[in-house]
Amino acid sequence: EIVLTQSPGTLSLSPGERATLSCRATQSVSSSYLAWYQQKPGQAPRLLIYGASSRATGIPDRFSGSGSGTDFTLTISRLEPEDFAVYYCQQYGSSTWTFGQGTKVEIK
Amino acid sequence: QVQLQESGPGLVKPSETLSLTCAVSGYSISSGYYWGWIRQPPGKGLEWIGSIYHSGGTYCSPSLKSRVTISVDTSKNQFSLKLSSVTAADTALYYCARHAAVTTCFEYWGQGTPVTVSS
Repeated sequence: EIVLTQSPGTLSLSPGERATLSCRATQSVSSSYLAWYQQKPGQAPRLLIYGASSRATGIPDRFSGSGSGTDFTLTISRLEPEDFAVYYCQQYGSSTWTFGQGTKVEIK
Repeated sequence: QVQLQESGPGLVKPSETLSLTCAVSGYSISSGYYWGWIRQPPGKGLEWIGSIYHSGGTYCSPSLKSRVTISVDTSKNQFSLKLSSVTAADTALYYCARHAAVTTCFEYWGQGTPVTVSS
C-alpha cells in the first residue's frame, strides 16, 4: 500500500504570503491519480486539484499543483483569509485509495 | 447537482455492526461511477474505507477488509456500509462520496454523519 507523507504538519503564514505544501509517496504515483483537498472546520473536504495539476471546478487560480513520481506540491500563491484550513493529498493505486495525514495552514 | 446524504445510528455498541446508508440525488447510481466511504476520527485525518461500482464490484481498505461490506441499491439510488465487530477505534465522522470518472478522486462529498462506539 502506498503511504503518503505530507510536510510540514503545520504551516504558519500571514495573508498574502505564499504557501508551499509537500506530499511524498513511498512508491511512484501516476500523476493522473494524485489529488488535493481542502477541509475547513465542520465541513466536508472539498476537491481542489486532480490529476496532480488540474484545478477542480470553481477553484481560484491562486491554487496550483505540480509534481510527479513520488513528490508532489500544492502551492497557494497568495493566501486569502478563507484559505486557512487543513489540506490533504490523496492517491489511487493498486485498487486502493490513500490520504496523507494533512497539513494545517494557520494564520501567523 | 449531485448530492449525497449519509444516515444511520449515531451510537453503536462495541462488538456490534455499524450500518450506514448514503442517499444520492441529482444523479442515478445505475448510470455509472464508483461510490465510496471515507471516515475521519475526531481530530484526525481522512481514511478511505471502501468503494463500490454501480454494478456492484467493490474495493476495500486492506486494514478494514475483513470487517467491511459495501452494497448498492439502485432501485433506491443509495449505497450502504456495514462495519462489523466495532470498537472505540471506529468512532469517527463517516463520509460518503462519489469518485470522478477518470482520475478516481473524490469529486462529490456528503456532509458526514458522526458515529460513536460506546456501551
